[in-house]
Amino acid sequence: GQQVMQIPQYQHVQEGEDFTTYCNSSTTLSNIQWYKQRPGGHPVFLIQLVKSGEVKKQKRLTFQFGEAKKNSSLHITATQTTDVGTYFCAGPGANNLFFGTGTRLTVIP
Amino acid sequence: EADIYQTPRYLVIGTGKKITLECSQTMGHDKMYWYQQDPGMELHLIHYSYGVNSTEKGDLSSESTVSRIRTEHFPLTLESARPSHTSQYLCATVPGLGHNNEQFFGPGTRLTVL
Repeated sequence: GQQVMQIPQYQHVQEGEDFTTYCNSSTTLSNIQWYKQRPGGHPVFLIQLVKSGEVKKQKRLTFQFGEAKKNSSLHITATQTTDVGTYFCAGPGANNLFFGTGTRLTVIP
Repeated sequence: EADIYQTPRYLVIGTGKKITLECSQTMGHDKMYWYQQDPGMELHLIHYSYGVNSTEKGDLSSESTVSRIRTEHFPLTLESARPSHTSQYLCATVPGLGHNNEQFFGPGTRLTVL
C-alpha cells in the first residue's frame, strides 16, 4: 500500500542551528502537504506543494517538492524554541491523506 | 477561521464502558475524518465521511463506529472500551470537493481506559 516515510524520526538541535526533515513516498504524488503539531496540540496545516521541483518559503521555513514528485523536504533556518513540535508531511491517497511518520524536533535553548 | 470542537477534551474511563466522542464543526464542510494518534506518533485514519449518511472505515482496524446524521456532527462511539483504546482521537474536516485540500483539525480527545 501507499506509504510516506519521514526521516529522521527525532532531531535535537541547538537553538540557532538549521533543521531539515525529509519525506519519501513509494508512489508519485499529485501534491504534498506539510503540518506542524506542537506538543500536546493538534496538527496545523503549513503549506501545500503541487508542482514538480516547487520551492516555497515561509519566513525561516523552506519547502521543496522533488522533481519526480516522490519526495519533499522542509528546512528551517536558525531554529527557535517556538519551532519545537512534530512535523508531518502528507500525500493524497484514494480517499484521504496519507500522513508521514513525522519528525519530532527538539530545540535546546 | 476554522471552528472544530471536540468533547470531552480528556476522558478517563473503565474497561467495558460505552463512550461517545463528539466532534462538531461550524464551517459546513462535507468531509470529516477521525484519526487515532499515540503521543508524538503518526496519525491513523479510523473513519471518514463524505457527507450526511455517508460513513466509511479507514485504514486502521477499529472497534469504533461513527454516524453522520447532520453535516455539523460526526460522533465516534466505542461500544466497549478497552485499555488498547487509550490514545488521542483527532477529528478533522476538509473543505471543497476533493480530499486533497487542507485538513482542519479539532483539539482532540485524550482517552485513557483503565
